[in-house]
Amino acid sequence: LAKTTQPISMDSYEGQEVNITCSHNNIATNDYITWYQQFPSQGPRFIIQGYKTKVTNEVASLFIPADRKSSTLSLPRVSLSDTAVYYCLVGDIYNNDMRFGAGTRLTVKP
Amino acid sequence: GAVVSQHPSRVICKSGTSVKIECRSLDFQATTMFWYRQFPKQSLMLMATSNEGSKATYEQGVEKDKFLINHASLTLSTLTVTSAHPEDSSFYICSARGRDHPYEQYFGPGTRLTVT
Repeated sequence: LAKTTQPISMDSYEGQEVNITCSHNNIATNDYITWYQQFPSQGPRFIIQGYKTKVTNEVASLFIPADRKSSTLSLPRVSLSDTAVYYCLVGDIYNNDMRFGAGTRLTVKP
Repeated sequence: GAVVSQHPSRVICKSGTSVKIECRSLDFQATTMFWYRQFPKQSLMLMATSNEGSKATYEQGVEKDKFLINHASLTLSTLTVTSAHPEDSSFYICSARGRDHPYEQYFGPGTRLTVT
């Protein structure tokens, strides 16, 4: 199982772009990268998933370099409501082996 | 989008009693369901994975006789905490994966268990 390393916490201000990087040096060929957001006392919410290069949806972008040993979640123009814990998961989505790492606690300030 | 519900959202029970938590996929058939436990300020820890109609696969260190998981149908899984103790107090979260979206896990809102 690929282990992930993320910054424990990050601070930002409203309107800024936030980039959270996740390291996964032991990522395997079949592994996908998935990011979740979690608010206190709630279940995680899916943000984005990718395998390589760049993926973009209505809320975020995911950048994955060619070696796939890291990935960066980019949140454009954050607001106070984006204050949450963000988790990077790496695993084989076909074999149910996705595990949560420690997560990054993002605090957005006014 | 796919919705997963949990019941109850909060439960308080006395030490030594058992409590059952339900996890339902409301608008899709869940071929696989997952149960997680989360302590304050910590990440989610996978407890077990269950496929419909078969026994759950427990993670190392999780007592299967204490945490009984039943995935009896494609829309319902239950977690029973037997002989609960205060150290079992935690936030329990289920998630589900369906045939139509096999690459995504949809999470329930969680159940806060307090054992007194």
